[in-house]
Amino acid sequence: DAGVIQSPRHEVTEMGQEVTLRCKPISGHDYLFWYRQTMMRGLELLIYFNNNVPIDDSGMPEDRFSAKMPNASFSTLKIQPSEPRDSAVYFCASSLVVKDGYTFGSGTRLTVV
Amino acid sequence: RKEVEQDPGPFNVPEGATVAFNCTYSNSASQSFFWYRQDCRKEPKLLMSVYSSGNEDGRFTAQLNRASQYISLLIRDSKLSDSATYLCVVRVGGGSQGNLIFGKGTKLSVKP
Repeated sequence: DAGVIQSPRHEVTEMGQEVTLRCKPISGHDYLFWYRQTMMRGLELLIYFNNNVPIDDSGMPEDRFSAKMPNASFSTLKIQPSEPRDSAVYFCASSLVVKDGYTFGSGTRLTVV
Repeated sequence: RKEVEQDPGPFNVPEGATVAFNCTYSNSASQSFFWYRQDCRKEPKLLMSVYSSGNEDGRFTAQLNRASQYISLLIRDSKLSDSATYLCVVRVGGGSQGNLIFGKGTKLSVKP
């Protein structure tokens, strides 16, 4: 089992540019979550999907953020245009049964300058 | 009030010490409870689930008090390798699903 795979591991971009983060969940997991982690706010849920359908996107900060899950093995989180305050570590996680917890990917460390 | 609150620490303890972390949660409908461990610049990893009757995994003991909405983690005979941030986590949502709410974590540093 390869685990949850995220790419890229690091991303440095200029303010105003579009950023796309990618995630491949564990095969067979029906739930996929996107979290953002900062020192100030800790881990915050941005959005989660069940069977490729967005269930709760109330954590998405604003219209600059969008997420898609076109199939069971791939999801993207897009920020357009990016701003310095978007700098954070973005984690993707997947789960078969949420009550048993979930598995995180290694994260994407995003720096917007 | 934050949904999950933890003392941020840091807790600096010598090897072999016993250390306890506490956590409170605000949503009385929370269904499941966990402790996750996060090493510096790494992803969070599940340490253990927390059951109403309390549970133990080697040197680690977790307790839950639903009436007080309080969760604890006790680490006995602490090792250098226990140095990490410990995240208290609750699940909200019905049935076996929903999503996890994370505390900001308590940092533990075990010194020789």
